[in-house]
Amino acid sequence: NAGVTQTPKFRILKIGQSMTLQCTQDMNHNYMYWYRQDPGMGLKLIYYSVGAGITDKGEVPNGYNVSRSTTEDFPLRLELAAPSQTSVYFCASTQSYEQYFGPGTRLTVT
Amino acid sequence: LAKTTQPISMDSYEGQEVNITCSHNNIATNDYITWYQQFPSQGPRFIIQGYKTKVTNEVASLFIPADRKSSTLSLPRVSLSDTAVYYCLVGDGGATNKLIFGTGTLLAVQP
Repeated sequence: NAGVTQTPKFRILKIGQSMTLQCTQDMNHNYMYWYRQDPGMGLKLIYYSVGAGITDKGEVPNGYNVSRSTTEDFPLRLELAAPSQTSVYFCASTQSYEQYFGPGTRLTVT
Repeated sequence: LAKTTQPISMDSYEGQEVNITCSHNNIATNDYITWYQQFPSQGPRFIIQGYKTKVTNEVASLFIPADRKSSTLSLPRVSLSDTAVYYCLVGDGGATNKLIFGTGTLLAVQP
């Protein structure tokens, strides 16, 4: 199993651009999550999903959108990127209490 | 969701036992306590989870008193590679299974 994979690993965006961060898991987990982590800080929950077709907001959802059309994929969409969205983004999945994290996407908005 | 409080940082030396305590005064009846470890530029990694009393696995022990308002992660004989941020989380693993991360504890192990 590859676990949780994320693409791209790095990305630089200009202010106002849009992009989609991809997240895929091959463990058949129902629950998936998107977090962001700013330098020296803990993780903040952006959005989560309890199954295909079901998503809900976390702590910091503004400026982001998600969809969950399949169990495996949970893409995160950034519309109109802003410098405040410069961060490392982690995707995670779980079937119980143990969350499995992807390697992260480092995003810089300039 | 229960809020957790941990020390911001701790220092230790190789070979010592390290105990990191987490306070969670508002823990709910159905909440479990879970600890994660995070190295720089990596996603967090599950260490251990418990509900009450003591839990031990191959890397750590978790001590939970009867009132469950705190918990202590114990790392035996730490090495330099244990330098990382450690997060304590509480959650019920229920329908939403949301886990909220705090700022964690930065453990620095020195030779």
